[in-house]
Amino acid sequence: DAGITQSPRHKVTETGTPVTLRCHQTENHRYMYWYRQDPGHGLRLIHYSYGVKDTDKGEVSDGYSVSRSKTEDFLLTLESATSSQTSVYFCAISNDRAGANVLTFGAGSRLTVL
Amino acid sequence: DAKTTQPPSMDCAEGRAANLPCNHSTISGNEYVYWYRQIHSQGPQYIIHGLKNNETNEMASLIITEDRKSSTLILPHATLRDTAVYYCIVRPRTDSWGKLQFGAGTQVVVTP
Repeated sequence: DAGITQSPRHKVTETGTPVTLRCHQTENHRYMYWYRQDPGHGLRLIHYSYGVKDTDKGEVSDGYSVSRSKTEDFLLTLESATSSQTSVYFCAISNDRAGANVLTFGAGSRLTVL
Repeated sequence: DAKTTQPPSMDCAEGRAANLPCNHSTISGNEYVYWYRQIHSQGPQYIIHGLKNNETNEMASLIITEDRKSSTLILPHATLRDTAVYYCIVRPRTDSWGKLQFGAGTQVVVTP
């Protein structure tokens, strides 16, 4: 598809530890996004990037930071993980398809904070 | 972005057509209708989009009413693998997805 790879796919960590999730894309798409998905809440945007070193906050950005030092990688960091950050995290890129801008998602990263 | 309303759930028999409705009565003239689905434990998957004309691709058909206030996603011959949550979204074609929030969608269960 759009060559999106998320890593790690699964991680278990303890409260207070730092965690970094990586999203890698192979097609030089400008926009990249991080979402979290929890039961009863659907998909919620955490942060997004519109270019190298250009990022902005989403709906649920507290407790998260991001970095984009090169086009292909968008990193999501939990500086000090909490149990409330246990979730499935999806990375996405947006690209043109059939004349419109569409989102393409990665396979997800399941994070458990004990 | 225009708000959308979808039924929370619906069942469909395998092999039959599944018709998923979406109301978007406040849609603006420059907003497209997009459909995505999410199969359990997977990332959401783009299905189809349209502005005002009916659209068809290898996955589904999209029927948009003439006043554009509602639309229907049609899965012509539902299979068990079509069991998923289906999201209807309306937004301008060129906007960033940065400020968009996915709604709850419709849980579709295809039964044998």
